[in-house]
Amino acid sequence: GIQVEQSPPDLILQEGANSTLRCNFSDSVNNLQWFHQNPWGQLINLFYIPSGTKQNGRLSATTVATERYSLLYISSSQTTDSGVYFCAATSGTYKYIFGTGTRLKVLA
Amino acid sequence: EAGVAQSPRYKIIEKRQSVAFWCNPISGHATLYWYQQILGQGPKLLIQFQNNGVVDDSQLPKDRFSAERLKGVDSTLKIQPAKLEDSAVYLCASSINTGLAGYEQYFGPGTRLTVT
Repeated sequence: GIQVEQSPPDLILQEGANSTLRCNFSDSVNNLQWFHQNPWGQLINLFYIPSGTKQNGRLSATTVATERYSLLYISSSQTTDSGVYFCAATSGTYKYIFGTGTRLKVLA
Repeated sequence: EAGVAQSPRYKIIEKRQSVAFWCNPISGHATLYWYQQILGQGPKLLIQFQNNGVVDDSQLPKDRFSAERLKGVDSTLKIQPAKLEDSAVYLCASSINTGLAGYEQYFGPGTRLTVT
């Protein structure tokens, strides 16, 4: 089945800094999502983005399906951005495989 | 629109006891997913329903875990008997399955299970 890898595993930023999180996948995807898991464990939908580019406020995402990666950009980070960011993808079937996540800590 | 509902939010049981979790998906969502998330890891799919039929249960430990989705709406996940390694957060998600983003998943708040 598809393998999903995320980098970096951990990231510490000062408030106001920008960051890029990466998700690599081993096969072509038909669904791809980015989530933010807040400190209370809730998974919050950020983007559904099997291809192309989307933006939502300070967050944007790009998936380059032909090169098998997706990027999540966070600009002007805030302390509330802290948590774990996951990407999840399906390939062929509709079974989602999650990456191991990027743990982000934003310092005030 | 109401989100995915789960209960209970927390549960503490002793090993060898049984436990059940309940999930009510977003109204009209055909697919329902149960995931297990162990601390420090990404969620792992346990079982996926399409309406009231099972699409994938390849990672469900069937000797102790069972799940059902009667009438294609809400679902229960049961563990009997529980083991220490079942301590995890159990997440339920749903997706509508029609339209351009039909398989976009929406998650409930999860049930945190501690087995002592």
